[in-house]
Amino acid sequence: QVQLVQSGAEVKKPQSSVKVSCKASGGTFSSYTISWVRQAPGQGLEWMGRIIPILDIVNYAQKFQDRVTFTADTSTSTAYMELSSLRSDDTAMYYCARSSAGTFDIWGHGTLVTVSS
Amino acid sequence: QTVVTQEPSLTVSPGGTVTLTCASSTGAVTSGYYPNWFQQKPGQAPRALIYNTNSKHSWTPARFSGSLLGGKAALTLSGVQPEDEAEYYCLLYYGGAQVFGGGTKLTVL
Repeated sequence: QVQLVQSGAEVKKPQSSVKVSCKASGGTFSSYTISWVRQAPGQGLEWMGRIIPILDIVNYAQKFQDRVTFTADTSTSTAYMELSSLRSDDTAMYYCARSSAGTFDIWGHGTLVTVSS
Repeated sequence: QTVVTQEPSLTVSPGGTVTLTCASSTGAVTSGYYPNWFQQKPGQAPRALIYNTNSKHSWTPARFSGSLLGGKAALTLSGVQPEDEAEYYCLLYYGGAQVFGGGTKLTVL
């Protein structure tokens, strides 16, 4: 059974960047899409965008278009989300999720990113 | 900016039935928005319940069902259990972008 294992919590300074990884354990990305979703403390879910690793196609939510980059390494079944120019309101739990047949069927455990001076 | 709207909170008695809805600022929600529903409990990642309006995962309890109702996507829980107390989010597809609703906090009381 595929699991998505994310990298550990990060504490970052404002204006810096963070790179979060999401590795498929027990399987590969194959033809799936990986979406990134974030959740600020006490707030709802926010779709950031997605990547189709095998085709290297990305879609970014308009809100993040200028600051986020999704990449993937199919040889290691690992996806990455890099967010730059961090602000305090980027403090959130960041999730990766596998998209298959119209649903997000498998989710990572989340990576907490804290932005603080 | 597309906005997806859900009831902020609902309360239901154990064994009762409740319907959560999901509306789009762009107009009526149709199957072409591929509505998804997720359940999230405190401290946990979201869990998929319903996709493509009314399709269930193998782990989705039978008491959960999805539909389209009055121009909105809907999630109905029939025979609510105490463990159904959670936050529920819908997700709609907008041709390359996806947008979550603000979530509905369901209280079982």
